Amino acid sequence: GDSVTQMEGPVTLSEEAFLTINCTYTATGYPSLFWYVQYPGEGLQLLLKATKADDKGSNKGFEATYRKETTSFHLEKGSVQVSDSAVYFCALSDRTGGSYIPTFGRGTSLIVHP
Amino acid sequence: GAVVSQHPSWVICKSGTSVKIECRSLDFQATTMFWYRQFPKQSLMLMATSNEGSKATYEQGVEKDKFLINHASLTLSTLTVTSAHPEDSSFYICSATRDRGQETQYFGPGTRLLVL
Repeated sequence: GDSVTQMEGPVTLSEEAFLTINCTYTATGYPSLFWYVQYPGEGLQLLLKATKADDKGSNKGFEATYRKETTSFHLEKGSVQVSDSAVYFCALSDRTGGSYIPTFGRGTSLIVHP
Repeated sequence: GAVVSQHPSWVICKSGTSVKIECRSLDFQATTMFWYRQFPKQSLMLMATSNEGSKATYEQGVEKDKFLINHASLTLSTLTVTSAHPEDSSFYICSATRDRGQETQYFGPGTRLLVL
């Protein structure tokens, strides 16, 4: 079946540092890929997505590129802020029988210090 | 747009009672809703997928009689935890997609359940 693997957290950075959170996937079909963010005490919010190979999703300074050859969708940000502290989930969506079935990674906690 | 609400946000109940959690799409019609359970170490477990007007599709290992899901309208799905026990204590999150075949999910804020 489909699966998503994320790097273990927590990731602890100083403000303005460069961020990379690794994500790799396995899928039988040709999935769409997502990053969701969960701030403390809240539900998940879509951060960015990519629907085909070599697509780059971007939002709020975050970027991720759909790499089919390495089955990866790593999240990057050039300069993190304290307000970026949250849990980040990599996910894929694979169409099965006309419905998109989601698969999530375990989440990676990011802690940004001033 | 695409706001999903959940009610209640917090619930504490005694063991053996049933608890109903509502998930509403406020500004769109949700043909498909998903129910997740989130464990303390962050992992998100898909419990079931519900389509309006039809029975929910449960993931392997999720007890249908324990977690009753009703998707009665295009804006409301409910999850009822029947005869709750302390091991059912968790964070329950719903999500919805706007149109059939759409893949982006919009999440509710979650409901924290504590069973004493």
